[in-house]
Amino acid sequence: EDQVTQSPEALRLQEGESSSLNCSYTVSGLRGLFWYRQDPGKGPEFLFTLYSAGEEKEKERLKATLTKKESFLHITAPKPEDSATYLCAVQQGGSEKLVFGKGTKLTVNP
Amino acid sequence: NAGVMQNPRHLVRRRGQEARLRCSPMKGHSHVYWYRQLPEEGLKFMVYLQKENIIDESGMPKERFSAEFPKEGPSILRIQQVVRGDSAAYFCASSPRASGRTGELFFGEGSRLTVL
Repeated sequence: EDQVTQSPEALRLQEGESSSLNCSYTVSGLRGLFWYRQDPGKGPEFLFTLYSAGEEKEKERLKATLTKKESFLHITAPKPEDSATYLCAVQQGGSEKLVFGKGTKLTVNP
Repeated sequence: NAGVMQNPRHLVRRRGQEARLRCSPMKGHSHVYWYRQLPEEGLKFMVYLQKENIIDESGMPKERFSAEFPKEGPSILRIQQVVRGDSAAYFCASSPRASGRTGELFFGEGSRLTVL
């Protein structure tokens, strides 16, 4: 069964303090790994898709990387508006469904 | 361009009643997905539909739950004879093509069901 484990569950940073979120996964025949952002009371918002080990994607202060067993979401010089829950999901080849982790709740203090 | 619209945003039902959740996908999107988020749990896939067809319902409980996406009108997730364990946030997502191409799903803001 496909599994996604995210760590830490919660992370508090000071504004400007860079860090990384981890997503470990087990899936048979990875089709893609996805990062989403979810604000309280809202639906998830798509950030990145990664397809193969070694791939990297960047968007503003966020950079996602992928290996054969895990993905990292690096946050450089975060701002308070980056506070949110970050969700990782995997998709198995031949399936349309995404399997989500429980998320990492990030809080950035000014 | 309006996003994915879900209603109601909040729904309270007593045990044994029926809950109907509606989802209007983004304009031009013909693929709809329903996910459930239980407290302290991750999003769980329920069902994937295209217009008038259920493509994958492997995440749907076998009893009491049903979904449809008619040719005209919104997609409906129906829960009959609700129980307290059905209390959760139900999210609908849409895409213009099968999500496998990019994994980019556009989510609504969810419908939060509380069963008393």
